[in-house]
Amino acid sequence: GIQVEQSPPDLILQEGANSTLRCNFSDSVNNLQWFHQNPWGQLINLFYIPSGTKQNGRLSATTVATERYSLLYISSSQTTDSGVYFCAVTQAAGNKLTFGGGTRVLVKP
Amino acid sequence: NAGVTQTPKFQVLKTGQSMTLQCAQDMNHNSMYWYRQDPGMGLRLIYYSASEGTTDKGEVPNGYNVSRLNKREFSLRLESAAPSQTSVYFCASSGRVDSEQFFGPGTRLTVL
Repeated sequence: GIQVEQSPPDLILQEGANSTLRCNFSDSVNNLQWFHQNPWGQLINLFYIPSGTKQNGRLSATTVATERYSLLYISSSQTTDSGVYFCAVTQAAGNKLTFGGGTRVLVKP
Repeated sequence: NAGVTQTPKFQVLKTGQSMTLQCAQDMNHNSMYWYRQDPGMGLRLIYYSASEGTTDKGEVPNGYNVSRLNKREFSLRLESAAPSQTSVYFCASSGRVDSEQFFGPGTRLTVL
């Protein structure tokens, strides 16, 4: 099956800092989503981005499908950005999301 | 619009007991899914239903059964719970199998 690798596994930021999270995948995908799992365990949809670039407030994401990677940018980080960020993909004509291992982010005040 | 709802939020079972986790969505989605998340890991698919009347196995189906009761509801049953099934269970739905998925709040299950 498809492999999804996220880096870095852990990230500690000072409030106000910018960061980039990376997601590499091993095969063609139809669907790529970024989620934020907050400290209460809730999975929050950030982006549905099989290709191209999207922005939502301080967050933006870019997927380069031909090179099999996606990037999530966090600008001016806040303590509420803490949690685990997951990338998940569905293969072409696939039927399930395959999740990466996540990047655990801690933003310190 | 509640989105995806799950009941119960927490459950403790003894080994061998059975229970059913309930999931409902109000987004008129065709496809629904059950995932489990073990500590420090991403989610893994247990079963899914591409459309009303169909169900299929995912990555980790052993020990579980599902029922797509109608378009809104998709339940997950543990017939004889085992400690290895201690996990957080998430239900999700999407318009179709390869479109954006939306997740419920999860059920935290402990099997003693």
